[in-house]
Amino acid sequence: KAGVTQTPRYLIKTRGQQVTLSCSPISGHRSVSWYQQTPGQGLQFLFEYFSETQRNKGNFPGRFSGRQFSNSRSEMNVSTLELGDSALYLCASGADGTGELFFGEGSRLTVL
Amino acid sequence: KQEVTQIPAALSVPEGENLVLNCSFTDSAIYNLQWFRQDPGKGLTSLLLIQSSQREQTSGRLNASLDKSSGRSTLYIAASQPGDSATYLCAVRASLGGATNKLIFGTGTLLAVQP
Repeated sequence: KAGVTQTPRYLIKTRGQQVTLSCSPISGHRSVSWYQQTPGQGLQFLFEYFSETQRNKGNFPGRFSGRQFSNSRSEMNVSTLELGDSALYLCASGADGTGELFFGEGSRLTVL
Repeated sequence: KQEVTQIPAALSVPEGENLVLNCSFTDSAIYNLQWFRQDPGKGLTSLLLIQSSQREQTSGRLNASLDKSSGRSTLYIAASQPGDSATYLCAVRASLGGATNKLIFGTGTLLAVQP
């Protein structure tokens, strides 16, 4: 059974640009959530989607957005990038029933 | 507001030792608690999931316990090996009738097992 797939794994952008990250959850999982990990703030919840609907949202500015498609794949977008957006962005796929979360390898974003 | 704390922040032990990692949370109204490991530059690997109604879970050399009333969980690693070296994170999921997969993470314990 394939795990959670995130693309791209690494990317470098400059301030002011925008970026789109993609996440394919484990087959059969309807929930996808996104987290930002930085050395200073640790792991912080961005948002969560379930069956194409945003179910929960963290305390991030509106520059951070996401969506989920009918096949459960999810994308997150960050517009007008700032230096502080440099981080590891992790996607998690949630199993119905147990609620166990499985994470992908992450997308490492560097903003110059 | 739920806060999760992990002690110690870093731990170095010789190979073969048994060790305990601690996790505490401020709000006992949790749905479940999950332990993860993270290798440098990698994603999170799920180790153990404890539902709020459970007291402990075991997988191989790992045993995790949960005491909701005191807001504590421990991860016990038996006979540690150099391959266990990683950052260990605990995370709690709020009790909202299961209507969220939002996790609140601790800051992690960096474990180094010396050969």
